[in-house]
Amino acid sequence: DTEVTQTPKHLVMGMTNKKSLKCEQHMGHRAMYWYKQKAKKPPELMFVYSYEKLSINESVPSRFSPECPNSSLLNLHLHALQPEDSALYLCASSQELAGGTYEQYFGPGTRLTVT
Amino acid sequence: AQSVAQPEDQVNVAEGNPLTVKCTYSVSGNPYLFWYVQYPNRGLQFLLKYITGDNLVKGSYGFEAEFNKSQTSFHLKKPSALVSDSALYFCAVAMIKAAGNKLTFGGGTRVLVKP
Repeated sequence: DTEVTQTPKHLVMGMTNKKSLKCEQHMGHRAMYWYKQKAKKPPELMFVYSYEKLSINESVPSRFSPECPNSSLLNLHLHALQPEDSALYLCASSQELAGGTYEQYFGPGTRLTVT
Repeated sequence: AQSVAQPEDQVNVAEGNPLTVKCTYSVSGNPYLFWYVQYPNRGLQFLLKYITGDNLVKGSYGFEAEFNKSQTSFHLKKPSALVSDSALYFCAVAMIKAAGNKLTFGGGTRVLVKP
């Protein structure tokens, strides 16, 4: 099973709302990632977790808060977002981080619209 | 700094003809190179990777890529394109950082295969 699942598929939220994006994988991968992707652009890395610990934060605004409750789950908590945060949010996982040789498996994404 | 360039925004090809999507890279040290494909409103799917070894790498769905160190290129190829190959293709290089590693993507190339 090489599947990464994400919920919800679509999310519309106001600028004062609090919402969460969820990601799950059952491949035994120990590295998990959040990306943001604007239309017709490449994904931009936001956060990396390795063995359930935050490994990389690409200077993401604090209105995005990641959480890794266990090795299979990854959440992204959203609060006080701006319209420019509207994008496709992708979750990915890989076997490990070590050496950069492991491919990442991506979920289908959550299409977020901030009104 | 590591970077990846995809010089063509779009490639048009007739079904049954060979397909080539170009990628050049700039890295310090050994490159770890990847190709991903993204269908509309979907996440990225891993196609193939070059880590070491043979310069010709075979991947999913009949795709292959040729690593050329002297030209710093990693072009994606398919001998006979299908209409279903129409999608957005991303080349990526793994960047090794102290806290882990990240993928740096090229800008993407849209492939349109016409019947």
